[in-house]
Amino acid sequence: GAGVSQSPSNKVTEKGKDVELRCDPISGHTALYWYRQSLGQGLEFLIYFQGNSAPDKSGLPSDRFSAERTGGSVSTLTIQRTQQEDSAVYLCASSSRIAGVRQYFGPGTRLTVT
Amino acid sequence: TQLLEQSPQFLSIQEGENLTVYCNSSSVFSSLQWYRQEPGEGPVLLVTVVTGGEVKKLKRLTFQFGDARKDSSLHITAAQPGDTGLYLCAGAINYGQNFVFGPGTRLSVLP
Repeated sequence: GAGVSQSPSNKVTEKGKDVELRCDPISGHTALYWYRQSLGQGLEFLIYFQGNSAPDKSGLPSDRFSAERTGGSVSTLTIQRTQQEDSAVYLCASSSRIAGVRQYFGPGTRLTVT
Repeated sequence: TQLLEQSPQFLSIQEGENLTVYCNSSSVFSSLQWYRQEPGEGPVLLVTVVTGGEVKKLKRLTFQFGDARKDSSLHITAAQPGDTGLYLCAGAINYGQNFVFGPGTRLSVLP
């Protein structure tokens, strides 16, 4: 596709369960970002991948959160033992050095932990 | 620690009015971006400002980057209902490799 896609668009899970959120970046984009946005709030940085470099994990709120990027393309954000405070919209963005610092965002995954 | 602050948090105006929203920080950024986000969608980039004192115009929108590269403003002339949304500013750190976002200004333009 032409843009960043994310799946699922909505996820409802019970407290304590694990969830996986998927991001398909724009083809050829070397950088990939995950953010969390609570209701009506700004974006909270979670993790950043750039090419083959070690990811910047400085924004991950706890060790329950992890992310992988396979083959320099698709990324999966995993939240283990979900808590109610994990409820938020999780946004993925990608960018290309060639295009400068512009980030292209996906539509997000709305996670609700009951 | 919130590196970027935005004001006002909420703004509701009538169609045709002018408005200014602000993005402030005690930190210096190599560049600063403004995004607009509509419900159910990801943010969309409006502009990137790089040079201190820079002014960019995008139709009815005027963006200014402070001389010290610590603050920015967005001015909308003759607002329209289509301008409604969440306006986010984002400062580039690590020479543009990463970004910190402000909490946003939620604008509502009433017809």
